[in-house]
Order: sequence, then C-alpha cells, then structure tokens
Amino acid sequence: EPEVTQTPSHQVTQMGQEVILRCVPISNHLYFYWYRQILGQKVEFLVSFYNNEISEKSEIFDDQFSVERPDGSNFTLKIRSTKLEDSAMYFCASSGPDQPQHFGDGTRLSIL
Amino acid sequence: AQTVTQSQPEMSVQEAETVTLSCTYDTSENNYYLFWYKQPPSRQMILVIRQEAYKQQNATENRFSVNFQKAAKSFSLKISDSQLGDTAMYFCAFMIATDSWGKLQFGAGTQVVVTP
Repeated sequence: EPEVTQTPSHQVTQMGQEVILRCVPISNHLYFYWYRQILGQKVEFLVSFYNNEISEKSEIFDDQFSVERPDGSNFTLKIRSTKLEDSAMYFCASSGPDQPQHFGDGTRLSIL
Repeated sequence: AQTVTQSQPEMSVQEAETVTLSCTYDTSENNYYLFWYKQPPSRQMILVIRQEAYKQQNATENRFSVNFQKAAKSFSLKISDSQLGDTAMYFCAFMIATDSWGKLQFGAGTQVVVTP
C-alpha cells in the first residue's frame, strides 16, 4: 500500500536555526497538509496546500513557517528561526479527492 | 468553529473484551466527515475508521465499529475482541466536507491500554 514518507525521523536543531522537514506524499494525491503534536497534547492543524498554493492555515502558522512543493514529489515545511516551543512531532499528510488523509510517520523536532 | 471532545483520558480493557470510546463534537455544518485515528507508542497516525455524516449506517472495519448519532453529535468507537496491539492513543477527528482540502480537527485523545 502506498505511504507518505517523512524525513528525517528525528531532527535536533539549535534555537534560532532554520530547519526543513521533508515529505513525499502518496503519488496520486493532490492535497497536502502539515500537522503538529506537542508531546502529550493533541494533534493541531498547521496548513493545507493544493494546486501549488496554501489553501488554509492556522494561527500557529505564522511568518516563521513556509511550505513548498519544489518538484513533483516533495512537500516541505520550513521553520525560519526555530524557538524552543517549536519542539514537537510534525506530521505530513496527503489525500486524494474524497479520500481520507493518510499520515506519514512524523518527524520529531527537538530544539535545544 | 468546530470542537471535538473526548472525555475519557484513559481506558483499560482486558484482552478479548470490548471497550467503547466516546467522542462528541459541536458544529453548525450539515456535511462533514468523522474519523478515528490510532496512535501507537511509535507515534504513527493510523486511520481506523471513517464515517460520512450523510450516511445513517454506522461504519465498521473488522473489530472496529462506530455508533454515530448525528442529532446528539456523538461518534463513539467500539473495539471488540481487544488485542494487545490495540494499545494506543485514539483520536477522534472532524472534517467539514465542503472542500477536499478540509483540515482535520482532533480531540484530546483517549489512551487505551489492553491488558493480558
């Protein structure tokens, strides 16, 4: 069964550094998402992306965050200047028309 | 705005027994989807079951079934014949059906522990 692939599985970064989280969605999916889960808390929506543009974003997704689909397969989340509170599990998801969202295994981001 | 409430932080069940997890939601929308996702200790997010609000028939997937009460805005998950591998955090989630790129809104989760 096709899967959403996320790399790296764990990223450790110094506060203030830029980080890029990578995702390869399922190949025939058209809708892409990023979610965040701070340890012990619920999963929170960050952003959705369709047709090469952001379709919706949450209040968490401020100017420090950006998303990009640089080629036909990758979907990236960039955090420009990381803060301690950015430490979380970041999940990428993708879906096709009238299809449920399938999640990747997540990237654990640790900010020191 | 939509809210999803899971009022049970933790449930314990013995192997082969049945456990029911509750979920309520609040929305003014008429067309939406409801989901249960499972998050084992590995922290993957795995889709368990999906329910379309326009369908009266409750969804089932093998040992997993839901009791969807639209008027009461209730969406409970029943796990039958519980197995040790069912130990996980279970999240209820809601999505408006108006657009294909709808965001999922999650509840706080219920930790299910299956004991031998």
